[in-house]
This record gives sequence, C-alpha cells and structure tokens, in this order.
Amino acid sequence: NAGVTQTPKFQVLKTGQSMTLQCAQDMNHEYMSWYRQDPGMGLRLIHYSVGAGITDQGEVPNGYNVSRSTTEDFPLRLLSAAPSQTSVYFCASSFGQTREKLFFGSGTQLSVL
Amino acid sequence: AQSVAQPEDQVNVAEGNPLTVKCTYSVSGNPYLFWYVQYPNRGLQFLLKYITGDNLVKGSYGFEAEFNKSQTSFHLKKPSALVSDSALYFCAVINGGYQKVTFGTGTKLQVIP
Repeated sequence: NAGVTQTPKFQVLKTGQSMTLQCAQDMNHEYMSWYRQDPGMGLRLIHYSVGAGITDQGEVPNGYNVSRSTTEDFPLRLLSAAPSQTSVYFCASSFGQTREKLFFGSGTQLSVL
Repeated sequence: AQSVAQPEDQVNVAEGNPLTVKCTYSVSGNPYLFWYVQYPNRGLQFLLKYITGDNLVKGSYGFEAEFNKSQTSFHLKKPSALVSDSALYFCAVINGGYQKVTFGTGTKLQVIP
C-alpha cells in the first residue's frame, strides 16, 4: 500500500498564479482532509470531506477550493496564490465513524513570492 | 469550539530520563484525544489515542499518555527517553460530530545524549 500520496513535494508560485495540490489514498478511507502547517501555529484545518461528493470548510478555508469526485482523490486548489499561503500542506485520511487515526501524506512545501 | 493547548514550545530531557510533554484540552462532551509525532521533513504519525476506558493509554515506541478529566489534561509520557525520540509532538482532539480534528501548536522534544 502506498498510503497517502501528495504531489508535488515542492512548489514555488508567483502571486496571483493558480495551482492544484494533489492528494490520493489507496486505503478506501471515506474521510480526507487538508491542513496547513505554519511555525508557531501548529496544523490548521483547511477543508475536509466525509465521502465522495461531500466537502466542508475547516478553520482557514479562504483562498482554497476542494472537490471530491472519487473516494481516492481530494485535490486542493489555490485560485490566486498569495504570499500568506506560503506554508507546508498536509493531506490526511481516516476510516471509521470516529476518525480514530489520521494517516498523513509527506507534505507539499509551497512558497508564494 | 474545541481547542488544545501545548504550553511548552520545547522540552529538553537527558537520554535515559523520564519525559513529559504537556497538553490540555477544551471540548464539549466526551473528549477523543490523540498524540501524533512528526520527524523532520515527514508527515505526522499516530502515536496513541484516548477514547474511553482506562485513564492511562499505551501507544507506539513505548509512549503512554494519562487522561485527567478534572484537570482537562492529556500529558504524553515515556519512562526512559531515547535520542531517537527527538521530534515534534502534537496533541489533538476531535469534535463530537467526528468531523474536525484540531491540533495543538506542537512541542519540540530534544533528547540530549
């Protein structure tokens, strides 16, 4: 099993550019989520999904868009990148009703100039 | 709204000594609590969880955590620290609807040889 796969690992954008961070899992988990990690802030939830076709906002959703057309994939879109979106992004998935254990990808380091 | 607090940005401990990483939480209803560890340039890895039952829960790599309802705490402990335990540790709580996992700001553990 590959687990949770994130691509790319590194990305540099200019302000105003758009891009999609990819996340795929092969564990048939119904729950998937995106976090951003910033120094001194810990991990903050951006968006999450409890199944295909269902998404909802987390703590810091502004500037980000998600969709969930399949169980396996949960891409995160930055429509118009801003320097404040410079961060490390993690995708995570989980199984079961109570989300007892999150499985994390290895992260995408994004710099917006 | 649920929250977790990790009051120490960094904890230093000598190899072989016991270690404690502190966490307090705020959540309505019964708490589901977790500890995760992050090694450099990696995603987070699950260590242990408290759902219900015994207040002392055991997890991976010899770690354990003590749930204290009256003090709303969930401190991570290990009887004898290893240099390889040096990493970033995150406490987390899930809300009653099991939709959102909230993380603390993280505590850097440095084990000194």
